[in-house]
Amino acid sequence: DVKVTQSSRYLVKRTGEKVFLECVQDMDHENMFWYRQDPGLGLRLIYFSYDVKMKEKGDIPEGYSVSREKKERFSLILESASTNQTSMYLCASSPLAEYNEQFFGPGTRLTVL
Amino acid sequence: GQNIDQPTEMTATEGAIVQINCTYQTSGFNGLFWYQQHAGEAPTFLSYNVLDGLEEKGRFSSFLSRSKGYSYLLLKELQMKDSASYLCAVMDSNYQLIWGAGTKLIIKP
Repeated sequence: DVKVTQSSRYLVKRTGEKVFLECVQDMDHENMFWYRQDPGLGLRLIYFSYDVKMKEKGDIPEGYSVSREKKERFSLILESASTNQTSMYLCASSPLAEYNEQFFGPGTRLTVL
Repeated sequence: GQNIDQPTEMTATEGAIVQINCTYQTSGFNGLFWYQQHAGEAPTFLSYNVLDGLEEKGRFSSFLSRSKGYSYLLLKELQMKDSASYLCAVMDSNYQLIWGAGTKLIIKP
């Protein structure tokens, strides 16, 4: 079974804090993605990566950065958390071919106070 | 702009059939995905259509018409466990997924 894990299910941080969200996949997938999911909106892509040390901006990268030092790990960083970054964050991975399904982690519900 | 439309919420009865529609306008098309997401859980893959027609997989079927920019997910013999949100996503010309907001399906006994 493909497994994508995320470091926390729930996280509460204060405005201005630096926040790290970790994602690990165990199926040797090349592609990894970070989304946020908000009520009434579709999943929105923040960043994605096709290879180690490689990253591409998605639709809403502002206020976020990412790191992919190892193939299995993709980290999302909020440099200075703000209340409008309160959301559900979903990590996903997929094999290299574009048409493959994405496998999602359980999500991290982040609240920024 | 790119747009995926699907109903916000639908209600159906256990044992019945329900059809969830999805219409899309995207820059290019490289396939359409349906995912299921139970409350508080991760989305899980249901189906992928890239050619016109119906794909059947057990109680679930998915239909695609590329000329109409239209797909539907058909759920038969509904069970209580089918209560979930159903997400439609289209892969555009850059192979990026554009997601609909999801349809919350409520199953009543």
